[in-house]
Amino acid sequence: KAGVTQTPRYLIKTRGQQVTLSCSPISGHRSVSWYQQTPGQGLQFLFEYFSETQRNKGNFPGRFSGRQFSNSRSEMNVSTLELGDSALYLCASSLITSLNPLDTQYFGPGTRLTVL
Amino acid sequence: GIQVEQSPPDLILQEGANSTLRCNFSDSVNNLQWFHQNPWGQLINLFYIPSGTKQNGRLSATTVATERYSLLYISSSQTTDSGVYFCAVRGNDYKLSFGAGTTVTVRA
Repeated sequence: KAGVTQTPRYLIKTRGQQVTLSCSPISGHRSVSWYQQTPGQGLQFLFEYFSETQRNKGNFPGRFSGRQFSNSRSEMNVSTLELGDSALYLCASSLITSLNPLDTQYFGPGTRLTVL
Repeated sequence: GIQVEQSPPDLILQEGANSTLRCNFSDSVNNLQWFHQNPWGQLINLFYIPSGTKQNGRLSATTVATERYSLLYISSSQTTDSGVYFCAVRGNDYKLSFGAGTTVTVRA
């Protein structure tokens, strides 16, 4: 079974631009979560989608948004990019979003975004 | 959200040595996972262990939920064990919170 895939793997943008990142979960997984990893702040939760609905959201400004499609694929959008948005963006999928082992998160390889 | 503290922040081992990594968390949790992040940034699942003990080869983990800590044991370390180990927990707010990680360097 294929793992979580993320595209693109690397991205360079300039301040003020917007960017869209894509995540395809493991087949059959319905929950997709996004995380931002930076050297200063570590790994931080952005948001989680389950069955096309945002189930949870972290403490990020409204410039960060996402959505999930009926096939469970998810996209994350960042508008009006700032230098501080440079980070590794990780996507994770799980079978369900609940309180049992099926909630095990499986991560993709990440998209490394550089904002100049 | 839940506070997660990992110790030590850095660990240097000689190949073949054993080590213990610790994860303390500030509230009751429903999900606790250990991950290994390789040099390319990929987070690899090691254990899903909200309570109890599990073993997988040279790695094992124990979580004592009532005392709010988890331990990851690495035995007979190899250079391929190098990387950053993260503990992540999910509480009643459903948000997965990560610790700052323990950077392990295994020298040949």
